[in-house]
Amino acid sequence: GDSVTQMEGPVTLSEEAFLTINCTYTATGYPSLFWYVQYPGEGLQLLLKATKADDKGSNKGFEATYRKETTSFHLEKGSVQVSDSAVYFCALSSGAGSYQLTFGKGTKLSVIP
Amino acid sequence: DTEVTQTPKHLVMGMTNKKSLKCEQHMGHRAMYWYKQKAKKPPELMFVYSYEKLSINESVPSRFSPECPNSSLLNLHLHALQPEDSALYLCASSQVGRGRHEQYFGPGTRLTVT
Repeated sequence: GDSVTQMEGPVTLSEEAFLTINCTYTATGYPSLFWYVQYPGEGLQLLLKATKADDKGSNKGFEATYRKETTSFHLEKGSVQVSDSAVYFCALSSGAGSYQLTFGKGTKLSVIP
Repeated sequence: DTEVTQTPKHLVMGMTNKKSLKCEQHMGHRAMYWYKQKAKKPPELMFVYSYEKLSINESVPSRFSPECPNSSLLNLHLHALQPEDSALYLCASSQVGRGRHEQYFGPGTRLTVT
């Protein structure tokens, strides 16, 4: 079955540091890949997405590239801010018309001033 | 507009109470979802409605009863819950049809069962 593996957290960074959160996946077919972010006490927000190999999703300074050869979708940001402190979930949807989102376990990011 | 709204934001209920959670979206999405999220875990899918018909029920106990009155609204009726049902309940919506569509989530209802 489908699965998503994220790096274990928590991750603590100083403001303006470079962020990488690793995500690899196993899926049948050609999945779409997503990063969701969950701020404390809130629901999940779609951060970015990629629907085919070599696509780069980007939003709010975050980027992730769909790498089919390494089955990866790592999240990066060049300079994190305190306001980026949240839990980040990598997710995939496989199969045309699939309703299922397979989530990774989540990575908690804390950014300190 | 990519907003999904949920009410109430917080709910405390006893094990003998009956309550309902409400979700609304105006993005024209024809798939709507209920998820349960425990602390420090990813969301777990409970139900999926497609074109107002229940299409997926992930073996959820009957004390949770979903309802989709129209294409914009989704309810979750709660009855005789257990303390272990305390969690964040998230609603989401998406397009349907060809493609693997992203889901848009609401802010959730924080449920406490006493």
